[in-house]
Amino acid sequence: AQKITQTQPGMFVQEKEAVTLDCTYDTSDPSYGLFWYKQPSSGEMIFLIYQGSYDQQNATEGRYSLNFQKARKSANLVISASQLGDSAMYFCAMREGIQGGSEKLVFGKGTKLTVNP
Amino acid sequence: DTGVSQDPRHKITKRGQNVTFRCDPISEHNRLYWYRQTLGQGPEFLTYFQNEAQLEKSRLLSDRFSAERPKGSFSTLEIQRTEQGDSAMYLCASSFVGGPNEQFFGPGTRLTVL
Repeated sequence: AQKITQTQPGMFVQEKEAVTLDCTYDTSDPSYGLFWYKQPSSGEMIFLIYQGSYDQQNATEGRYSLNFQKARKSANLVISASQLGDSAMYFCAMREGIQGGSEKLVFGKGTKLTVNP
Repeated sequence: DTGVSQDPRHKITKRGQNVTFRCDPISEHNRLYWYRQTLGQGPEFLTYFQNEAQLEKSRLLSDRFSAERPKGSFSTLEIQRTEQGDSAMYLCASSFVGGPNEQFFGPGTRLTVL
């Protein structure tokens, strides 16, 4: 079974508008972390935001926020005030056993975001 | 530049040849990871080191693949007898124990096997 599901292969947004990229996850481990990475056409994975399973508040980093709904097992990324430079692939990832467990990140298949001028 | 570096950035080889990639992590990072990314997919975990010890290996890491981190600094990933299915982007990442949870990725090595 897929551990990370990103159902939107591609998304389009107008410059300066907000966009939500969906991510659902599957784990039975109570201790896990959720990550979002951006991958521009150059190929490098750029870390955006992190949410721990025990964190009480949704994570925010500048224009990025994570809409964490634990009961629904969803961790959607919200990008506010989109910029042309936000056009890229976006990957959701999970690490299980965040407190002393596996170190590996499990990634979804990604969503290609295109920001239109 | 103090980020993760990888060399070479691109490698084209013929089927059956051996290739070796190098990764230099961020200097104070004691954890180093290798991932493989094929076209249209997210990265898949291959292996990771803490200092010089290889602590976790994926089943994706067949007998033809070997990774080393002899002095706990840079790492090499070798693929023997390459196959066309090995064509992918090989990504290296690093982090440090007790630090932030995120892994910092390098620019990757794109391998094409003809």
